[in-house]
Amino acid sequence: DVKVTQSSRYLVKRTGEKVFLECVQDMDHENMFWYRQDPGLGLRLIYFSYDVKMKEKGDIPEGYSVSREKKERFSLILESASTNQTSMYLCASNSGAGVSYNEQFFGPGTRLTVL
Amino acid sequence: DAKTTQPNSMESNEEEPVHLPCNHSTISGTDYIHWYRQLPSQGPEYVIHGLTSNVNNRMASLAIAEDRKSSTLILHRATLRDAAVYYCILRSNTNAGKSTFGDGTTLTVKP
Repeated sequence: DVKVTQSSRYLVKRTGEKVFLECVQDMDHENMFWYRQDPGLGLRLIYFSYDVKMKEKGDIPEGYSVSREKKERFSLILESASTNQTSMYLCASNSGAGVSYNEQFFGPGTRLTVL
Repeated sequence: DAKTTQPNSMESNEEEPVHLPCNHSTISGTDYIHWYRQLPSQGPEYVIHGLTSNVNNRMASLAIAEDRKSSTLILHRATLRDAAVYYCILRSNTNAGKSTFGDGTTLTVKP
């Protein structure tokens, strides 16, 4: 059974803290993605990576950074968490960089609350 | 980027067919039409995709208009487990496979 796992389902952090969200996939996929989901705004792409140590900005990269040191792991980093980063964060992966028809596999999401 | 437009919500009765529409009038020739759905408290899951021809799989059917400016996801017999948010998205070779998800259609299935 293919899987994308995220390190936490729920996370509560304080303003100014550095936050790490981890995502691991076991499908040997080339591409990995980080989205945030907010009511009325749908899923918005933060960053994606098409290879180890490679990253591309998505639609809303401000306030975030990413790291991909190993093919199976993609980390999202909030350098200094702010209350407007309270959201549901979803990780996804798929195979074949640039191949448009490959389905994405999503993790269960991490609901982050920043106080 | 080409955008999609979907109704905010739809209702269906259990065991009846459901037709979920999507408009994508600015679709380009290389855009594939994908559908995902998101059940409560879960990440989105793939449903079906197509380019020009109608497609069928075990979950649903996808009907694509001849001019490709609209498509319809068809659930042949809705069940209570089909209650979810359904997203219609376009994916292109030119953007390394990234997808933009809108608000989707919230499907309510009544027993």
